[in-house]
Order: sequence, then structure tokens, then C-alpha cells
Amino acid sequence: QKEVEQDPGPLSVPEGAIVSLNCTYSNSAFQYFMWYRQYSRKGPELLMYTYSSGNKEDGRFTAQVDKSSKYISLFIRDSQPSDSATYLCAMRESGGSYIPTFGRGTSLIVHP
Amino acid sequence: EPEVTQTPSHQVTQMGQEVILRCVPISNHLYFYWYRQILGQKVEFLVSFYNNEISEKSEIFDDQFSVERPDGSNFTLKIRSTKLEDSAMYFCASSDSRTGGYGYTFGSGTRLTVV
Repeated sequence: QKEVEQDPGPLSVPEGAIVSLNCTYSNSAFQYFMWYRQYSRKGPELLMYTYSSGNKEDGRFTAQVDKSSKYISLFIRDSQPSDSATYLCAMRESGGSYIPTFGRGTSLIVHP
Repeated sequence: EPEVTQTPSHQVTQMGQEVILRCVPISNHLYFYWYRQILGQKVEFLVSFYNNEISEKSEIFDDQFSVERPDGSNFTLKIRSTKLEDSAMYFCASSDSRTGGYGYTFGSGTRLTVV
């Protein structure tokens, strides 16, 4: 079983829709959870990170962690065409290696 | 806003040749990383570098690979005797502390094509 699973998509939505992006994981020791956005031919850029369980909101973006289900989500409200990108989840343990494990990313297309 | 700069943006090389990928991290950052992303696959960690030595490396980072910080600004990844399967996007990243991913700044990558 792969450590971090993420549906590659593409996910196509109309402008203004609420988008839900998800990752599942198998390592119960993961404590730090990150979401990156990657535009075509660019490097990933950090959107949000959370520690342990719960929600975190930043503008139109909400990150949610459910450790009991080993499931994390990123919600995007009022999606815009400029949100069209690949969204990568990443996570790591609280001790030991500081190197995060990435998912393969979900391609999001927001059409006008 | 400070950036991580990578050169070249695209490199084509013949199988068996050596390539050097270059990165200029953000000037006050102390931790440096190389990642790669094969087309359609996930971002994979190669190596981290701190205080002029490798601090961690993955199974991918075998004797074919080496890293160097030859001066105060550049951070390089050398791939010896390239293979077709080395074709990928190679990303450099840097951070000012050992943040474990949430303090990374990534460069735009070098697309390596081995023919």
C-alpha cells in the first residue's frame, strides 16, 4: 500500500464552485500535513499546513485533517480560473526524518 | 519576493553523459534540497544538505548522484552516466530552518531529457 494516495484527476469545475481535494495515507505517525499548489512548469508553492487534527482556514482555502480516518482535505470556495493548477498534499512525522512524503497531485481545472 | 533560481530550465543530454543542474537558493537560507518529479508521478525526495554536508538522502540518491555547494551561493546536483529513466523535472528547494516541508521555497525546476 502506498503511503500517500491522491486521485490525479483531472477535476473540472465551473467558476464559483466549491472544490474538495483529498488525500488518504497509511502512516499513523504523520502529524504535519501540507498542501502545495503547482502551476504548469513551475515548482510547488506552499498553500497551507496544519499540525495534527482539525481545520485551518485561510481566505478561500480550508484545510481539514481527520487522523482517525487518515484522510485530509483541501476545500476551495468560490473557485476561480486562476486556481487551475495541480494540488499536492504532503505530510511528515513529528520526529525522525523531517522530509515530507508527497502525493502525486490532483489536477484542477476551473472553467469560466 | 526572494526566489530560488534554477538553471538551465531545460537540458537535453545523451545517455551516458554527465549533467550538472544548478540552483541559487535564497540567500539567508541554510537548508537545501533536491527533489525530482517524473512526468505524471509524485514529487520524490533526493537529498538534503546542511552545513556543507548531506544530512539525509533517499534510496534514489545512489552513487550516480552527488551534490555540492561550490561557493556561497550555488548548490549543484551532478548526475553521472545519465540513464533514460533519469528524465524528469528536478526541483531545488531551500529553507531557513529545518521545517520539514512547510518552510520550503521551490525553484521552477530543470527539465532533464535523456535521449
